[in-house]
Amino acid sequence: AQTVTQSQPEMSVQEAETVTLSCTYDTSESDYYLFWYKQPPSRQMILVIRQEAYKQQNATENRFSVNFQKAAKSFSLKISDSQLGDAAMYFCAYRKFATGANSKLTFGKGITLSVRP
Amino acid sequence: KAGVTQTPRYLIKTRGQQVTLSCSPISGHRSVSWYQQTPGQGLQFLFEYFSETQRNKGNFPGRFSGRQFSNSRSEMNVSTLELGDSALYLCASSFGTRTYNEQFFGPGTRLTVL
Repeated sequence: AQTVTQSQPEMSVQEAETVTLSCTYDTSESDYYLFWYKQPPSRQMILVIRQEAYKQQNATENRFSVNFQKAAKSFSLKISDSQLGDAAMYFCAYRKFATGANSKLTFGKGITLSVRP
Repeated sequence: KAGVTQTPRYLIKTRGQQVTLSCSPISGHRSVSWYQQTPGQGLQFLFEYFSETQRNKGNFPGRFSGRQFSNSRSEMNVSTLELGDSALYLCASSFGTRTYNEQFFGPGTRLTVL
């Protein structure tokens, strides 16, 4: 079974600075997707960024980028120029590649990020 | 385009009762997944429906069931509620079941069991 581990329950960052959130996962699959989701206090979960395992290039979305280390099974999220609106719970998630069933998301426990003004 | 909607947003029930939660996916989306979120267990997959068929099921007791209608709206039912069923129940919709199909989450239904 696949597992996703986020070992840091909380982190804090100064506004405008950079923060890195860590995630490790365990799988025997070679094809899969990895995601970072953001859940603000309003509770609506939104996708921040995703990475296809077969792609060597790290994904980037504006101020958000990942460091994907497939051999080490590590998938960290870097937030640059942190903003107050980045304060939320962040979940790392794994999804096995499939064309039909078994497309569920497996989530880590999440990390609460606070941004200091 | 309207997002995923879930009703009701908050619900209070007592042990032994049953409850039905509803999820309306984004227009055009045919896949609906349900997740339970608790502080202790985190986010856990309940089940996934596509074209009115359950395609995948998580490791939950039979008290948890669901269905999907022809318009892709989905309901989940929990019978004989237990205190441990108190949780935020999230619904997510996607266009299909392919891995690259992004899942869009609803705001959730907060269930409290007394």
